[in-house]
Amino acid sequence: QSALTQPASLSGSPGQSITISCTGTSSDVGSYNLVSWYQQHPGKAPKLMIYDVSNRPSGVSDRFSGSKSGNAASLTISGLQAEDEADYYCCSYTRSISYVFGTGTKVTVL
Amino acid sequence: QLQLQESGPGLVKPSETLSLTCSVSGDSITSSNYWWGWIRQPPGKGLEWIGNIYYSGATYYNPSLKSRVTISVETSKNQFSLRLNSVTAADTAVYYCASHDAAVVNPGDNWGQGTLVTVSS
Repeated sequence: QSALTQPASLSGSPGQSITISCTGTSSDVGSYNLVSWYQQHPGKAPKLMIYDVSNRPSGVSDRFSGSKSGNAASLTISGLQAEDEADYYCCSYTRSISYVFGTGTKVTVL
Repeated sequence: QLQLQESGPGLVKPSETLSLTCSVSGDSITSSNYWWGWIRQPPGKGLEWIGNIYYSGATYYNPSLKSRVTISVETSKNQFSLRLNSVTAADTAVYYCASHDAAVVNPGDNWGQGTLVTVSS
């Protein structure tokens, strides 16, 4: 299974919104509404930000939102803040009864 | 609150077996509420799902690693473990153990801090 495709990097100014894309196939993203998103700061373990395409775990800011259309999913960060600077990974359940992660996106707050 | 902690050798020789343990505190490893899993991240690279296990013993593995991986539960120690055979330099990575709510499908909503394993002679 190939990694889901994400842009290598994105940047935005404080207060702006950015959207991270995640492109898969009909065997993963397109098959299930089981896409999750993780935030990872340097040297830290990933943190779950979104699950089941658009659901936020308790404690995650509502500035983070997710969506999906066909074989692609996206994560939008609204009102960008300095602490949002991190790597972001999408992840999808697959028809192989496994998970595949995205290639990762480095978000920089200007 | 559930907490996970990885432990094991930081250096493994090529062709040998990598063995890691994840100690669980805050709930029982036999709880039907969680799946337990492993994810790895080579230095400077992205995340790769390795596999997971349910208290019943049901296991699922990444197809690309399936021939070399075994995940098991050690109920008496409230731990679960990872064994990866025939390692090469490409298996050098930070290895994370994780758990996720059995009612939700994702690789993990609670992660250990990770442990670096280097494969080198």
